[in-house]
This record gives sequence, structure tokens and C-alpha cells, in this order.
Amino acid sequence: ETGVTQSPTHLIKTRGQQVTLRCSSQSGHNTVSWYQQALGQGPQFIFQYYREEENGRGNFPPRFSGLQFPNYSSELNVNALELDDSALYLCASSPPGREKLEQYFGPGTRLTVT
Amino acid sequence: SQELEQSPQSLIVQEGKNLTINCTSSKTLYGLYWYKQKYGEGLIFLMMLQKGGEEKSHEKITAKLDEKKQQSSLHITASQPSHAGIYLCGADMYHNAGNMLTFGGGTRLMVKP
Repeated sequence: ETGVTQSPTHLIKTRGQQVTLRCSSQSGHNTVSWYQQALGQGPQFIFQYYREEENGRGNFPPRFSGLQFPNYSSELNVNALELDDSALYLCASSPPGREKLEQYFGPGTRLTVT
Repeated sequence: SQELEQSPQSLIVQEGKNLTINCTSSKTLYGLYWYKQKYGEGLIFLMMLQKGGEEKSHEKITAKLDEKKQQSSLHITASQPSHAGIYLCGADMYHNAGNMLTFGGGTRLMVKP
């Protein structure tokens, strides 16, 4: 148990639709990152939020956006879904000052785009 | 090619056998993380290495980071079916302030009883 939860567990969407995925971090974890893991590959960094501000972004288009809230929860929003967006989406959080030492991943949300 | 290469991509071993998984980069690694993932699930943190030459062990799993901090190995002694899963190495490659990790492609381990 990492103390990081994600919802929903599974989701099926149609191409062109929009989706919101949610992550709840441990209390006090003010850094959260989101990753996309396509089938058979390692996770790829999407972006990171620190104290409700985006603080780093990987090679993903602007239709991938996020929010972080004061209650240590966060969202990943994806607009205009494409078939290639089908993947496991993971969030990871870290306690303050230990971002390089401790990273806790949630169980992920499996998104299928048809 | 990926920035972080893992080998082998998959591995099938008989229960009780030892095995080694490698993770290699052409860049200096500022932090190297090993995670285990059961198929379709989240990542479970195993170990984190920072210093060149560092070695850590947990139960039957030992991880090492070479002196140049460009290669790490994960060694499992006397493998058990519970060791089966996907092993991922992740690295802090850009020495940024946050926790962005670059991951390898994973090694899929099966342990035959």
C-alpha cells in the first residue's frame, strides 16, 4: 500500500471524447507526477505539479492538461482522445524534500479509446 | 533508441535459480530507481541508488550502481514464483528539482515452479 489512490480503475472512451482521471496523494505530498504507460513499454513522463503549479512537462501535446488541488488530489485531463491514448495512466507523489528519494505510485487507471 | 536500456526484455527461470537484470544509460544517472510491477498494476518501489558503487539489498534482491553511475544491475537470488512480474528501472537523468523519471522498457520475469 503506497497511500496513493487513483480513479477510476478502468475507463472506455470513444475517439474525440474528453476524459478526466483522478489521483489522491498522501497528506503532505505536494509533488505529483503523471505518467503514461503503453502496453509492453515503460512509463513515460507527462507532467509534474508542485504546489498546484505545473513544474515540468514531457513530450506530450497541450491536449494533456492537469490540475492539482490543496487537498493533495490531482487530475489529468485529456481532450480530443486518440486511439494511441489507450494506456495505463499512473500518478506518483513525493513528500516534501524527498522527491529524489521517495516516489509512490498509485495502481493506475486503464484507459481504452475505441 | 531509448535513453535507458534494460536487458533482457524477458526472462524465464526455474524456481531456485539466480538471475540478473541490467539497466544501462549513456548519460550519468543522478538517481536510479528499481520498481516491480504486476501486469497491468501500479509500480512497487524496491530500491533507490544514488552513489557510484552503491549496493543495496532487500530480502533476496540486490541492486548495484556502477562507479560511473551509468549502469545498474538487479540480482535475485534463489528466485521464487512471487518474484514474477515486470521489473522497471527509472532514472533521474536531468538532475532536475522535481521527480521526473525516465524509465526503461522493463524486463518481464517468469519463474517456473
